[in-house]
Amino acid sequence: KAGVTQTPRYLIKTRGQQVTLSCSPISGHRSVSWYQQTPGQGLQFLFEYFSETQRNKGNFPGRFSGRQFSNSRSEMNVSTLELGDSALYLCASSLLGQRTDTQYFGPGTRLTVL
Amino acid sequence: LAKTTQPISMDSYEGQEVNITCSHNNIATNDYITWYQQFPSQGPRFIIQGYKTKVTNEVASLFIPADRKSSTLSLPRVSLSDTAVYYCLVARPASKIIFGSGTRLSIRP
Repeated sequence: KAGVTQTPRYLIKTRGQQVTLSCSPISGHRSVSWYQQTPGQGLQFLFEYFSETQRNKGNFPGRFSGRQFSNSRSEMNVSTLELGDSALYLCASSLLGQRTDTQYFGPGTRLTVL
Repeated sequence: LAKTTQPISMDSYEGQEVNITCSHNNIATNDYITWYQQFPSQGPRFIIQGYKTKVTNEVASLFIPADRKSSTLSLPRVSLSDTAVYYCLVARPASKIIFGSGTRLSIRP
């Protein structure tokens, strides 16, 4: 079956703009998590959604937000972009988000903020 | 949440067995240990998961001692394509997943 897809794959924005990234999980998966990866900070957890509800949240400012739709597709939004938001944004899906569930990652969206 | 500690980098040669050890001293009773592999500019890929003793699949083995305070990922007969970053995670149900710094494995011909 199809893997996790993320769109767009690459994005260039300028400071102050906002951006919306999209993630389509594997069919049947209800948990979607978002991560930010930078060379300096590594992979950092942003938030997790399950059944359209945010279930867990990492330590990111309120400029980072997300949502999940009834078909489990998820979007994340970053407002008032800063240079430090340049990163690879990864989405991962799992069946129920439980400890024995495998997380399947998408290819990521590379965001560059100028 | 259990913190993990891994070597920053390791080098090996093609055909060798590579063992990467991860320390997780404050692992909780219901925590599972999971390893991921990541290539540059790609999302991490699940390798193996275990709770105790030994788990083996077609690509790796995972050894977990009785006290579960550490685990060792074993990659048999590595090739150049195994050059990647390997992450050890300890995760609980419905909790945020914390990735450590990972181990950068370099395989030489």
